[in-house]
Amino acid sequence: GQQLNQSPQSMFIQEGEDVSMNCTSSSIFNTWLWYKQDPGEGPVLLIALYKAGELTSNGRLTAQFGITRKDSFLNISASIPSDVGIYFCAGSANFGNEKLTFGTGTRLTIIP
Amino acid sequence: NAGVTQTPKFQVLKTGQSMTLQCAQDMNHNSMYWYRQDPGMGLRLIYYSASEGTTDKGEVPNGYNVSRLNKREFSLRLESAAPSQTSVYFCASSQVVSPLHFGNGTRLTVT
Repeated sequence: GQQLNQSPQSMFIQEGEDVSMNCTSSSIFNTWLWYKQDPGEGPVLLIALYKAGELTSNGRLTAQFGITRKDSFLNISASIPSDVGIYFCAGSANFGNEKLTFGTGTRLTIIP
Repeated sequence: NAGVTQTPKFQVLKTGQSMTLQCAQDMNHNSMYWYRQDPGMGLRLIYYSASEGTTDKGEVPNGYNVSRLNKREFSLRLESAAPSQTSVYFCASSQVVSPLHFGNGTRLTVT
């Protein structure tokens, strides 16, 4: 199957700091999605990207679809306690979900 | 506004036992999916149903069967559970080319 590398695996930051994480694929994707998972819950969609170079924001979150179509980035500005959780990227070569590949997740922890 | 509802939330099985995980969605979505989530790995697709009456294998279908009972419901069956099937199982739904909506998962332990 397709390889999707997500980094970093974990992050420990202080409240108010900015966060950056990224995903890279071994092949070209036409869709990039970013999800967040809180403990005991299912992933919730944060941002969807469908066009190379696209930059999309959702509040303090900004995600970009890389120009090469093989990577995507998620930034969180001015982190707050409710940002704690696991962030997953997901990508697909087509626009259907049956071929969606998920990253292994970035666990974000905020140090008091 | 339930979205995607999964039952049960937790289950412990002995090796060889069978069980069915239930999933229902109230968003009138055509497509439904079953994923498993293991530590250190991304979500992996077990089976999906693009529309009522159809089902297809995903990346890791061995040891599982599914039934798309109607447009709302999509169940996952383990006929003879194995310790390797210890995992968190997520059901999801979507319209054809829209992002997935996930349930809150079923945590399954097979001893």
